[in-house]
Amino acid sequence: EAGVTQFPSHSVIEKGQTVTLRCDPISGHDNLYWYRRVMGKEIKFLLHFVKESKQDESGMPNNRFLAERTGGTYSTLKVQPAELEDSGVYFCASSQSRNGRGYTFGSGTRLTVV
Amino acid sequence: GENVEQHPSTLSVQEGDSAVIKCTYSDSASNYFPWYKQELGKGPQLIIDIRSNVGEKKDQRIAVTLNKTAKHFSLHITETQPEDSAVYFCAARGSRDDMRFGAGTRLTVKP
Repeated sequence: EAGVTQFPSHSVIEKGQTVTLRCDPISGHDNLYWYRRVMGKEIKFLLHFVKESKQDESGMPNNRFLAERTGGTYSTLKVQPAELEDSGVYFCASSQSRNGRGYTFGSGTRLTVV
Repeated sequence: GENVEQHPSTLSVQEGDSAVIKCTYSDSASNYFPWYKQELGKGPQLIIDIRSNVGEKKDQRIAVTLNKTAKHFSLHITETQPEDSAVYFCAARGSRDDMRFGAGTRLTVKP
């Protein structure tokens, strides 16, 4: 089966610009998660979708971040306007069951804000 | 929510030696503890996991131990090989079903 797909793999933008990251989960996986890793630090939770509904968005840093999952399939994470501290690797993960085994991660999007 | 601490941040071992990575967690209700391996250019991949009703689990050269009383769990890799070099993350699923990760350990196995 196809894995979790993220694109772009890399993005370099200027402070103040907008960037949209996309995640295609494994087909049939209702649970979709966004995480971010700033260099050398933990993989930090951002939010969790169950189908098209936001189950938990407690990790979203501020209102410059907007995540959507229309139709319960792929998800987008928009950062507008981007700030320098938004730089990091953004991971998407999906799982079929919330209480099952660990997640399947995508390869991540490395975002650099200059 | 859950808070996970991971040590060491970097670990260098000689090929054939053992490597141990340790994590502690804060939520006593946490019940699931996976370990992930992240190779360059790839996302984290699940390599082994343990649930709170067991104390140890082994899969070939990899083992994980869990001490619920002390709220810590460890990853043990024996007979390390250069291809074991990667960043390893521990994680814990808390009482709110939220998965929290450690900061990662960069393991280097020198041939």
